[in-house]
Amino acid sequence: EAGVVQSPRYKIIEKKQPVAFWCNPISGHNTLYWYLQNLGQGPELLIRYENEEAVDDSQLPKDRFSAERLKGVDSTLKIQPAELGDSAVYLCASSQEGRGGGYGYTFGSGTRLTVV
Amino acid sequence: QKEVEQNSGPLSVPEGAIASLNCTYSDRGSQSFFWYRQYSGKSPELIMFIYSNGDKEDGRFTAQLNKASQYVSLLIRDSQPSDSATYLCAVNIKYGNKLVFGAGTILRVKS
Repeated sequence: EAGVVQSPRYKIIEKKQPVAFWCNPISGHNTLYWYLQNLGQGPELLIRYENEEAVDDSQLPKDRFSAERLKGVDSTLKIQPAELGDSAVYLCASSQEGRGGGYGYTFGSGTRLTVV
Repeated sequence: QKEVEQNSGPLSVPEGAIASLNCTYSDRGSQSFFWYRQYSGKSPELIMFIYSNGDKEDGRFTAQLNKASQYVSLLIRDSQPSDSATYLCAVNIKYGNKLVFGAGTILRVKS
């Protein structure tokens, strides 16, 4: 079984430029999460999808961040424009059927973003 | 008060010793608790979960939960240098189907 796939693995951009991250969850996992992890910190939830619906985006900075999950499978997370403080690792995770909170979930390899 | 708190460490133990990692949480209604291991430059990997008060053992790992004290811990027996990593405690908070993570404890096992 393939795990959660994310791309790119690394991204370096100049501030004020746009950037997008892509995630393909484990087959059959209808719940998808985007987390942000700063150095020395634990992951922090940005947005949670149940199928195509964003059911929790309360922590997503909507002035510059957007996300979509068309057809309830792949998801993209976009930042426009990027700021220096956005430099972090962006992690995607997936779980079955709302069980993420009960059974934990699987993370992808993450995208390490550096804004210069 | 943070929702999930961990001592950042580093916690240093000699090879073969027992490593004890601790975590406290604020939401008394939390029902499930997880330990993730994260190697430097890698993503978190689930190693243990526990739902009920008491101990749960899996190989060299034992998770302990005390809901009355809002405390969860992870014991690693016969620690190996390969156990050196950051250990993240995560809690499924009551009001949302999501995990809230602590900042992690750095463990160093010295040979």
